Amino acid sequence: DAKTTQPNSMESNEEEPVHLPCNHSTISGTDYIHWYRQLPSQGPEYVIHGLTSNVNNRMASLAIAEDRKSSTLILHRATLRDAAVYYCILRDSGAGSYQLTFGKGTKLSVIP
Amino acid sequence: DTGVSQDPRHKITKRGQNVTFRCDPISEHNRLYWYRQTLGQGPEFLTYFQNEAQLEKSRLLSDRFSAERPKGSFSTLEIQRTEQGDSAMYLCASSSRASASSNEKLFFGSGTQLSVL
Repeated sequence: DAKTTQPNSMESNEEEPVHLPCNHSTISGTDYIHWYRQLPSQGPEYVIHGLTSNVNNRMASLAIAEDRKSSTLILHRATLRDAAVYYCILRDSGAGSYQLTFGKGTKLSVIP
Repeated sequence: DTGVSQDPRHKITKRGQNVTFRCDPISEHNRLYWYRQTLGQGPEFLTYFQNEAQLEKSRLLSDRFSAERPKGSFSTLEIQRTEQGDSAMYLCASSSRASASSNEKLFFGSGTQLSVL
């Protein structure tokens, strides 16, 4: 899987929007962008994924740059329960491997 | 949907002992994964099963590690002759056969925390 770059940590105030960036300048045309998050003492949890178009679900929105070299995970109103490590991962639709390659992610702190 | 279940949640063992972890995936999920996570790092892939067949193994999976998934249901991960470097969180995940790999959503358990003294 291609490499992603994320800030080590970010802070947000409760009930404000949060924009978590991810750079993936070497992304290929067949790579999907996946986001997972990991709350303390739990396994990772799927958040959202997309290919080219922006995506929305009940948890978050994913904004993908036109050149696909970066993306942003948007939490519309941060709550204390959103404090977690957020991982941006590229998944090659053409590869035979099923493994996900996690980086260190971004640790999000939410301030009450 | 009761989620992915892992047992035990915590395991403390002495160096040189063997340990075995169990994972029960979500019912009818045919894909099962094992990952390992050390403090401050993201999870690292260990191995992948489709039904009972082990189709992919990481170089991290040394010959002291063995994973099985008899009958394509639960899975076990055994570590023989444990070393202090094996101390980590061992995570299991499962997913549905309906997903192509690019659209696949993994459902993770809460993990087994191994401490080797």
